[in-house]
Amino acid sequence: DTEVTQTPKHLVMGMTNKKSLKCEQHMGHRAMYWYKQKAKKPPELMFVYSYEKLSINESVPSRFSPECPNSSLLNLHLHALQPEDSALYLCASSQRGLAGNTDTQYFGPGTRLTVL
Amino acid sequence: AQSVTQLDSQVPVFEEAPVELRCNYSSSVSVYLFWYVQYPNQGLQLLLKYLSGSTLVKGINGFEAEFNKSQTSFHLRKPSVHISDTAEYFCAVTLIIQGAQKLVFGQGTRLTINP
Repeated sequence: DTEVTQTPKHLVMGMTNKKSLKCEQHMGHRAMYWYKQKAKKPPELMFVYSYEKLSINESVPSRFSPECPNSSLLNLHLHALQPEDSALYLCASSQRGLAGNTDTQYFGPGTRLTVL
Repeated sequence: AQSVTQLDSQVPVFEEAPVELRCNYSSSVSVYLFWYVQYPNQGLQLLLKYLSGSTLVKGINGFEAEFNKSQTSFHLRKPSVHISDTAEYFCAVTLIIQGAQKLVFGQGTRLTINP
């Protein structure tokens, strides 16, 4: 089973709202990732968690706040977003995410976010 | 630094014709290369990967790719395409930052299959 699930599938929020995106995997992977994908563009890495610790933050604005409560779950908390933050947010997981490993990342279906 | 270049932004092909989607990489160290497919309004699905060993890699849905170190290429091929292959295809390479791995994607190639 190589399934990564994401909820919700679609989310519409105002600029003053607070919302959260959720990602879950049950493959025993210890690395999880958030990507942002704008239309007709490749995914751009936002955050990497490895063994529940934040290992990469690609200079993402603080209005995006990741959380990894356990090895199977990854959340992305959203607050005071801007319309330009509208995009497809993809979650992925891989076995360890560490240098020296030949990991393969498996992606979820994404959450389509619209900020009004 | 490792990066990938997908040479064609769009590739139109007739159904049952062969197709090649081109990908070149730049790296001074060992590379791990991937092809992902993204169908409309969906996430990314792994097609195939090259980590080591045989340079000809077979993937799902009849796709294959050949790792060519001398030409720094990892082109994706399929001998006969179907309408259902219409999608965006991304080539990617693994980059190590701060002891962790990240995927660096090419700009993508939109494959359109015409009947």
